[in-house]
Amino acid sequence: KAGVTQTPRYLIKTRGQQVTLSCSPISGHRSVSWYQQTPGQGLQFLFEYFSETQRNKGNFPGRFSGRQFSNSRSEMNVSTLELGDSALYLCASSLYSGEETDTQYFGPGTRLTVL
Amino acid sequence: AQSVTQLGSHVSVSEGALVLLRCNYSSSVPPYLFWYVQYPNQGLQLLLKYTTGATLVKGINGFEAEFKKSETSFHLTKPSAHMSDAAEYFCAVSFFGNEKLTFGTGTRLTIIP
Repeated sequence: KAGVTQTPRYLIKTRGQQVTLSCSPISGHRSVSWYQQTPGQGLQFLFEYFSETQRNKGNFPGRFSGRQFSNSRSEMNVSTLELGDSALYLCASSLYSGEETDTQYFGPGTRLTVL
Repeated sequence: AQSVTQLGSHVSVSEGALVLLRCNYSSSVPPYLFWYVQYPNQGLQLLLKYTTGATLVKGINGFEAEFKKSETSFHLTKPSAHMSDAAEYFCAVSFFGNEKLTFGTGTRLTIIP
């Protein structure tokens, strides 16, 4: 079974631009979560989507948004990019059986550099 | 609110020696606990997890961890370190019905030949 895929793997943008990152979950997985990883702040939860609905959200400004499609694929968007948005953005998917917290499987990440 | 503390941002051990990476959590409800490993320029790979039941959990690559409720700990061990174990290790916590993972700050493991 194919793992979580993220595109693109690397991205360079300038301040003020916007960016869209894509995540395809493992086949059959219905929950998709996004995390930001930086040297200073570590791994931080951005948001989680299930059945096209945002079910959980971390403490990030409104410039960070996401969505999930009917096939469970997800995108996240960052508008008005700032230098501090440079990070590795990780996507994770899980089955979400509803009976217990399922294991999250991570993709390789998208490395975003803001100049 | 839940939190995770990983003692030691850098740990070095000799090849063949015991690996011990420490993780303590803070939680008011029963936690689900995870250890993930990250190799350079890669995502996170699950090593093992504890949800309920047996407190000693065995994972991949010879790693294991023991959930100790009285000590609020979930330390990761491996009896004999291998060069391929060099990576960054993250402890994480979540709760029933909540997919959000709260991570520790990570421990970079270096293996000395």
